This record gives sequence, C-alpha cells and structure tokens, in this order.
Amino acid sequence: AQSVAQPEDQVNVAEGNPLTVKCTYSVSGNPYLFWYVQYPNRGLQFLLKYITGDNLVKGSYGFEAEFNKSQTSFHLKKPSALVSDSALYFCAVGIDNFNKFYFGSGTKLNVKP
Amino acid sequence: EAGVTQSPTHLIKTRGQQATLRCSPISGHTSVYWYQQALGLGLQFLLWYDEGEERNRGNFPPRFSGRQFPNYSSELNVNALELEDSALYLCASSLGRRKGVETQYFGPGTRLLVL
Repeated sequence: AQSVAQPEDQVNVAEGNPLTVKCTYSVSGNPYLFWYVQYPNRGLQFLLKYITGDNLVKGSYGFEAEFNKSQTSFHLKKPSALVSDSALYFCAVGIDNFNKFYFGSGTKLNVKP
Repeated sequence: EAGVTQSPTHLIKTRGQQATLRCSPISGHTSVYWYQQALGLGLQFLLWYDEGEERNRGNFPPRFSGRQFPNYSSELNVNALELEDSALYLCASSLGRRKGVETQYFGPGTRLLVL
C-alpha cells in the first residue's frame, strides 16, 4: 500500500535556527514528492517538488528538501527559521499514471522569537 | 493569472440537507481534485475529475458525488448531510492526467458547517 508518514505532529524551533520537518514514504514505483504549507483557515500552498534529477530541491520562501532513496525520505529544511514560517506543513507523494496524491498527516511548525 | 477559486467560502446547513460546493481550476488545467480536511485531521482524498470524467474516488460513501463541466469547473455535492461532514473542503487543479503526475494547486477552501 502507498503511504506517507510525518512522524512528528509538532516541531518547535527558535527563530534563526535551522529547521527540519520529516517525511518518509512507501510507494511502489518511482515517487513524485511534494511539500505544501497551510496557514490558518487557508488552502495549501505549493512549496517544492521532486520528480527526478538532483536530490536537493530548492523551493519557495527559502525552503529546500532532500530526496533520499535509500531511506525513502524527503525531509523539508530551512537554514534559518522565521516566525512567519509557523504553519502546518504537509508532505505528499504522487504515483505515476495514477495521479492520486497521498498526503501525510501534517506537522505543525512553531517558530518562537 | 488567477488561481483556483472556490465558492462559497462558508456554508451552513442542517442535518439531512444537501450541500453544493463549486470550484474553478486554473486556466489550462483539466484535472480537478476534491479533498476533505476535518478539524485536526489531515487531507482525505475525495474525488478526481479529468476531462469531464470521474477518474478516481476515495473511501467516501456515495452521498458524496460531483461532476466536471465542459469548462473544467467542478461541483461537489454532499447529500443527506451528517454532523461529521463538517470540514474544510479543498479543491485543487493540475494540468491533467495526460501530463503525468503534476503539481496540484489548491483553492482557499469552503468551510462547511452542519448543525
């Protein structure tokens, strides 16, 4: 069965420190991996995606994510967190020729000043 | 370029009624997806439409249905509303199945409250 796991419900980081939001996946075939951010009472905003190529993907707002095939992970990172980064983050995997996205349960990121 | 739009933003219904939610995709996108996000929970996939046809369906009862129009806009209908249907309903669009797995872009959502 296809699945996406975000093992942490919540991540707390001090402003200016690096942040990591974890995501692991289990799919048959090649994964198409995505990160989205959701601010309160809003829809999801696309941050970045990995389809193929370089394992390090750069996205919006200074975020990046590293695809690790051996560990089946796609962790979201940012070198220096901002208070405005506080939001709910979702990892998703798409399956080729199936076009169905599987979303993780979400991780709430809290960045304290 | 306009993003995905959804209407209404908020909808209040009572148990047993029907709700109709609408979504307009980004221009050029042929796929529309519907998700349910209940309070405190993640996104649950409801329906996928592409080029006017239902292509995939999540684990929801038949009272959740929809359609896609020739202009690729879409409606989600929920019949015989139940209290647990209260949620944020998100619509997303993408370039379509002929393009493979493409990024889904989301609308702001419709918040449905069932009393």
